[in-house]
Amino acid sequence: GAVVSQHPSWVICKSGTSVKIECRSLDFQATTMFWYRQFPKQSLMLMATSNEGSKATYEQGVEKDKFLINHASLTLSTLTVTSAHPEDSSFYICSAKTGTSGRGARANVLTFGAGSRLTVL
Amino acid sequence: QKEVEQNSGPLSVPEGAIASLNCTYSDRVSQSFFWYRQYSGKSPELIMSIYSNGDKEDGRFTAQLNKASQYVSLLIRDSQPSDSATYLCASWAGTYKYIFGTGTRLKVLA
Repeated sequence: GAVVSQHPSWVICKSGTSVKIECRSLDFQATTMFWYRQFPKQSLMLMATSNEGSKATYEQGVEKDKFLINHASLTLSTLTVTSAHPEDSSFYICSAKTGTSGRGARANVLTFGAGSRLTVL
Repeated sequence: QKEVEQNSGPLSVPEGAIASLNCTYSDRVSQSFFWYRQYSGKSPELIMSIYSNGDKEDGRFTAQLNKASQYVSLLIRDSQPSDSATYLCASWAGTYKYIFGTGTRLKVLA
């Protein structure tokens, strides 16, 4: 089946540095990808919707200048956390709609990458 | 505000019992519904999807949808300790956005 590949799976960085997380769709094209953040024992929080060839759509309260999203091709979206601080430490997960359109068992299914755990010291 | 609501739990069931997880949604135009399982420290993985009223079975899992009541449930038969995880309910309304509930933590006691 369709796979969403995300890396790195974990990263540790110093405060003030930038970190890039990549999300790739394998064997399919993803015009839209979604980026989520999840703090320990909390629910998924949608940060932004990444659209191939255009600007990302950010959710309310998410700083677009801090969380830079680039979706330059149909198989790659990247999230860059700029000037990271300890409060940015979290689990970042990308996803893409891998299901078919319309109805059916696999219609409109959202598939997640494995996630990237960011720790900012 | 379109929402999907779930009881956070934890829901504890003995091994071999049926676990019943429930979810309600507010957006009447929601078309498809999904149940994801998330183990601690891992990303969500799809268990089942459902879009028609009634029951849908897949192995030990049965999803139930009642659009009139705006209610979705997931039954896990013969629960195993390996089923212990957080279960996320999500809806999709034909737009680009999926709405996720906060998840129900399930504990299956050996």
